[in-house]
Amino acid sequence: AQSVTQLDSHVSVSEGTPVLLRCNYSSSYSPSLFWYVQHPNKGLQLLLKYTSAATLVKGINGFEAEFKKSETSFHLTKPSAHMSDAAEYFCVVSDRGYQKVTFGTGTKLQVIP
Amino acid sequence: DSGVTQTPKHLITATGQRVTLRCSPRSGDLSVYWYQQSLDQGLQFLIQYYNGEERAKGNILERFSAQQFPDLHSELNLSSLELGDSALYFCASSVGGGELLYEQYFGPGTRLTVT
Repeated sequence: AQSVTQLDSHVSVSEGTPVLLRCNYSSSYSPSLFWYVQHPNKGLQLLLKYTSAATLVKGINGFEAEFKKSETSFHLTKPSAHMSDAAEYFCVVSDRGYQKVTFGTGTKLQVIP
Repeated sequence: DSGVTQTPKHLITATGQRVTLRCSPRSGDLSVYWYQQSLDQGLQFLIQYYNGEERAKGNILERFSAQQFPDLHSELNLSSLELGDSALYFCASSVGGGELLYEQYFGPGTRLTVT
């Protein structure tokens, strides 16, 4: 079975400092991994995706994530947080073997001015 | 704006009732996905349709059903509603959908309140 664990439910950073949102996954097959962002009262927007090409994936708004198979991790990073980054972030695993999508429980990012 | 539209935006109904949520995918997208987001369950994948056929099923209750029409819009039917069905229901669409590998574009959601 597939699963995804977001290790922090809340992360708080100061504006201009680095962001690290952690995600670990479990999958019996070669997974596809995604990060989505949800701003308050909005739908979800894709930040980036990994589909077995380059392990370092660059996304929108300066975010990137690195797929580490040995650690079963797909952590999301950004060098410098902006106030507009305050939102909830979801790590998602899509397992072709099970034909289903599993969302993590989300990490709320707070950016302090 | 993702290009995915959902109606209605808000829906308030009573327990035991039946409602229909509607989704229009982005132009050119063949897959439609339905999700439920609630405070206690988080975001859960319900079901996927690809070009009119059911392609993948998640944690969808038997009281819920969905379909995708020839014009590719989709409807999610929720019946015998319970208080616990109160949630935000999202629709998403993608170009492909054979293996759930394609990025999905989410609509703004329908907020369902069951009283």
